[in-house]
Amino acid sequence: SAVISQKPSRDICQRGTSLTIQCQVDSQVTMMFWYRQQPGQSLTLIATANQGSEATYESGFVIDKFPISRPNLTFSTLTVSNMSPEDSSIYLCSSAGTSGTDEQFFGPGTRLTVL
Amino acid sequence: GNSVTQMEGPVTLSEEAFLTINCTYTATGYPSLFWYVQYPGEGLQLLLKATKADDKGSNKGFEATYRKETTSFHLEKGSVQVSDSAVYFCALTPLGSGTYKYIFGTGTRLKVLA
Repeated sequence: SAVISQKPSRDICQRGTSLTIQCQVDSQVTMMFWYRQQPGQSLTLIATANQGSEATYESGFVIDKFPISRPNLTFSTLTVSNMSPEDSSIYLCSSAGTSGTDEQFFGPGTRLTVL
Repeated sequence: GNSVTQMEGPVTLSEEAFLTINCTYTATGYPSLFWYVQYPGEGLQLLLKATKADDKGSNKGFEATYRKETTSFHLEKGSVQVSDSAVYFCALTPLGSGTYKYIFGTGTRLKVLA
């Protein structure tokens, strides 16, 4: 299994600013994912972050808005750029590829409110 | 394409009642199937999983059986507790995709009353 921590756990930000969310895994993992969970809704995959290559974004998400870094096998960051109130969500990271299992392990999430 | 359909919530039950949350899927081949639970203010935790037809996943009194013939993976518990109040997500990952990408259902909120 993998234990994942995220920082910050929550934040309140002003419109037009940017926030970087950090995700730390306690073991080396092949793949990391970033999700958005809007209030009362399911998880929407933003992108897949692989170490040593650029992130792969899902339809509707672009690198300029959600730049992602993956400098090593245990860490990733997601930046929410030029924020608007519509970006208010919970942002979750997860990891997969541990011990050959297809199971994903999730962080506790970052609750973002944009005023 | 691949998809997951869950019954809509919220589901409200009295303590010790029987729980069923329906989940059906559409996928090519034999996906792996999962149930995740999200307690208030927390991230998702894996509840149980099944990787092939007729497999039964179980954990904490919850069970779900991988039914290929009905493409279903319904979650059941014989006697719910107040502490089971949470949002439950059904998910799949396509077999052999190599991407580990999940497709989630919309989630079902369960509220258990004392």
